[in-house]
Amino acid sequence: DAGVIQSPRHEVTEMGQEVTLRCKPISGHDYLFWYRQTMMRGLELLIYFNNNVPIDDSGMPEDRFSAKMPNASFSTLKIQPSEPRDSAVYFCASSLDLRYNEQFFGPGTRLTVL
Amino acid sequence: RKEVEQDPGPFNVPEGATVAFNCTYSNSASQSFFWYRQDCRKEPKLLMSVYSSGNEDGRFTAQLNRASQYISLLIRDSKLSDSATYLCVVPPSWGKLQFGAGTQVVVTP
Repeated sequence: DAGVIQSPRHEVTEMGQEVTLRCKPISGHDYLFWYRQTMMRGLELLIYFNNNVPIDDSGMPEDRFSAKMPNASFSTLKIQPSEPRDSAVYFCASSLDLRYNEQFFGPGTRLTVL
Repeated sequence: RKEVEQDPGPFNVPEGATVAFNCTYSNSASQSFFWYRQDCRKEPKLLMSVYSSGNEDGRFTAQLNRASQYISLLIRDSKLSDSATYLCVVPPSWGKLQFGAGTQVVVTP
C-alpha cells in the first residue's frame, strides 16, 4: 500500500485566496483525520470522519475552514479566504478505528499564506 | 488542565545514555496509549502502543502507571538517530482525540 497520500506537498498563496488540500487515505481505513501543526500550538485535530461522515469538527478554527469526504478514498480541506495565521503544516491521517489502532499519517502539506 | 501533558524538553542526552520522560493524562477511563515519534519536518509515526501495564521494543520501554495517570517512555543506549520529538496520544473513552505537545530529545555525540 502506498500509505496516506496528500497533495500538494507545498503551497504558497496570498492572503484572501482559496486553498484546497487533498488526501487519499489507506484503503480499508474507516477513519480519516485532518490535523494542523504549528510551533506555537503543536498538533491540533481539526476534524475527523468515520465512514465518510464528519464526526467531530469542533477543532475547525472558524467558518473559513471546511472539510469534505465525498467517498472512502478522498477528502479535502478547504480554506476560504486564507489568512497568514493559517500558515502551518496540515496532516491527514487514517486508521482502522478511533482508539485501538495506530493512525497512519501522510507526509503533510506545508502551507504558507503571504 | 490539558487532557494530555508532556514536558517539552529538550532533553539533551549523551550518546549511549538512558533517557526517560513522562506523559500525564486526565481521563482515568482511557484503555489504550500510544507513543509516536516525529522527526523534524516529517510526519508522526507510531513508535509503540500500550494496552496494559507496559510494552518493550528493543531499546524502548513504555510503562503505564494507572494510579498516577501517566505513561513513561524510556530509551536505553541512546543513538544519534533517536533525536526526535516524541508525542504521547491517549485516546479518550469519549470525546476528542488529544495529542500531547511532544517531548524533544536531542542525542549528542
